[in-house]
Amino acid sequence: KNEVEQSPQNLTAQEGEFITINCSYSVGISALHWLQQHPGGGIVSLFMLSSGKKKHGRLIATINIQEKHSSLHITASHPRDSAVYICAVRYHTGNQFYFGTGTSLTVIP
Amino acid sequence: DAMVIQNPRYQVTQFGKPVTLSCSQTLNHNVMYWYQQKSSQAPKLLFHYYDKDFNNEADTPDNFQSRRPNTSFCFLDIRSPGLGDAAMYLCATSLGLASYEQYFGPGTRLTVT
Repeated sequence: KNEVEQSPQNLTAQEGEFITINCSYSVGISALHWLQQHPGGGIVSLFMLSSGKKKHGRLIATINIQEKHSSLHITASHPRDSAVYICAVRYHTGNQFYFGTGTSLTVIP
Repeated sequence: DAMVIQNPRYQVTQFGKPVTLSCSQTLNHNVMYWYQQKSSQAPKLLFHYYDKDFNNEADTPDNFQSRRPNTSFCFLDIRSPGLGDAAMYLCATSLGLASYEQYFGPGTRLTVT
């Protein structure tokens, strides 16, 4: 069964806090995306991973293929980071992406 | 700048009145996708084109059709919109399938009255 689970569903943090959002999936994947969606807005691709770790500014994404788990970290969080963060995976067995239900992040000044 | 463009950003249509949403890309990507996203839900893939090869998801209603007249443009046609079709429609592109990154457009929010 192709499932993508994210935790937490909702997260509220104080500005400056270190934030971690988790994603787990059920079978082997060819790629995992972390996506950001602001309220009422389109989707922005933050990272695409198939192994290891990537860093872009204050954002870090890691993936553990053996454990079928990925994390998105935000260092020194800021109110403009408030958005829904979505994990999406493409399994070896097909072409489409399977999306998690998202983590809604609110960063309070 | 290379990008994925969707028009219009907001569309209002009447129950049962056909509507077309547009997506264009300057990335010269081979694959174009259409997703439907309802409030507080994850995006759901409707179909995708690899070049001219159309691939429909098994659970996409017949009411939804798509056209890709050339590499740059892809259209989503809703033949008889129902109230349940009100959603954000997202277009995305990728160079290829498998492990290629997807680039998303800003979306078109469809309201059905």
